[in-house]
Amino acid sequence: EAQVTQNPRYLITVTGKKLTVTCSQNMNHEYMSWYRQDPGLGLRQIYYSMNVEVTDKGDVPEGYKVSRKEKRNFPLILESPSPNQTSLYFCASRGFLMNTEAFFGQGTRLTVV
Amino acid sequence: RKEVEQDPGPFNVPEGATVAFNCTYSNSASQSFFWYRQDCRKEPKLLMSVYSSGNEDGRFTAQLNRASQYISLLIRDSKLSDSATYLCVVGGSSASKIIFGSGTRLSIRP
Repeated sequence: EAQVTQNPRYLITVTGKKLTVTCSQNMNHEYMSWYRQDPGLGLRQIYYSMNVEVTDKGDVPEGYKVSRKEKRNFPLILESPSPNQTSLYFCASRGFLMNTEAFFGQGTRLTVV
Repeated sequence: RKEVEQDPGPFNVPEGATVAFNCTYSNSASQSFFWYRQDCRKEPKLLMSVYSSGNEDGRFTAQLNRASQYISLLIRDSKLSDSATYLCVVGGSSASKIIFGSGTRLSIRP
C-alpha cells in the first residue's frame, strides 16, 4: 500500500528542547516536502527536497532544518522549538512529473509550551 | 495578494443541493491544477485533477479558465459525507512548487 508515514502523531514539548519529526514514504518518490497548517493560513511549505542530498527552503523555513540522506526519509528537525511553531505538520511526497498526485502523511500535531 | 485564493466559507447547504467553489491563482505560468479534500484534522487527499478541457468524476465537475485564471469545483446532489474542507492546489512548471489555497469549508445539513 502506497503511504507516507509520519511520527509522532502528537507531541507536546517545551521551548528549546530539540525534536525530530520523522517522515518515510514507500513509493520511491523523488520529491518530498514539509508543510505546516495553521487556521486561516492554509498549508505553507517549510522545506522541500527534489532528491537525495538536495533540499531547499520553502515559504516558512525559519526555525526548521531537514535532511535527505535516503530517498525514502525526510525528517523535520526543530533545533530550538518555540511556541509559534505550535501547529499541525504534514509531510508529503510525489513523483517528479507535474501532474502527479501528492500523498500526505497523517499529520503531526505539535504543541510547544 | 495570495498566490492562490479561495473563499473560506463556510458554505452550509442542504443535502441534495448543488454547490460550486471558485479558486483564483495569480501566476499565469501555472501548469497543473488540483482539488484536494481535507476532513477535520486529517491529511489532504486528492479529489481530482483539473484539466484544460474540464473533467467530471461522478457528482464532481472541475473546470479551468486560464484566461481569467480560476478553477472551479461543482458538486451535484451533495451528500452528508461531502462535508469537508476543499483545497485548491496550483502547480508551477515543475514538481518543486505546488501552492495550496487556504481551503473552503463545506457543511452539508440533513
